[in-house]
Amino acid sequence: QITLKESGPTLVKPTQTLTLTCTFSGFSLRASLSTVGVGVGWIRQPPGKALEWLALIYWDDDKVYSPSLKSRLIITKDTSKNQVVLTMTNMDPVDTATYYCAHLRGPGPLDFDYWGQGTLVTVSS
Amino acid sequence: DIQMTQSPSSLSASVGDRVTITCRASQSISNYLNWYQQKPGTAPKLLISSASSLQSGVPSRFSGSGSGTDFTLTISNLQPEDFATYHCQQSYATPLTFGQGTKVEI
Repeated sequence: QITLKESGPTLVKPTQTLTLTCTFSGFSLRASLSTVGVGVGWIRQPPGKALEWLALIYWDDDKVYSPSLKSRLIITKDTSKNQVVLTMTNMDPVDTATYYCAHLRGPGPLDFDYWGQGTLVTVSS
Repeated sequence: DIQMTQSPSSLSASVGDRVTITCRASQSISNYLNWYQQKPGTAPKLLISSASSLQSGVPSRFSGSGSGTDFTLTISNLQPEDFATYHCQQSYATPLTFGQGTKVEI
């Protein structure tokens, strides 16, 4: 059974750096024949607004970022801990949102079949 | 970026109704279109992938169709548990993009 859970601060100040951790189970991001195409993505949703994809990391450590946020994002994985970490620099109140991590099944279409519960991050001084 | 436009943004319906939600892509995305259901305070749930492939465990009253730029999610015989927000997402190319969501309410 695949599960994911986000953790991190609920409140950050403007200009600070946000670090979110996604801890998962039921699958691996260790490079092997059985994990080809598998990945973890981060998606956020401001209150009452649409979903916005942020970044992806694949089993082979390939990384893809949203162009509009690329300069502020870093995504990494720790296969020994089954964790994916997202770092977002220079936080602003407009970054207030629920942040989700999700399992990208692969290979094939880029859809997210399992999601974490989400964590609400508020940016305020 | 590929823009995804859903219509309507919200709709009112009754139990037993047939509901249709449309998603339009700004360019052809073949059948690389996914639909998610989201209930308040919870994460999105994948309903349909590749435009028409129903995910395991999803009731058969949900169906998807379309190809190219125009896609449809249909819910036949609407049930109380179907009142939620529905999102489309294109998986044709990064950056992955979502529609703005359609809220189905009573």
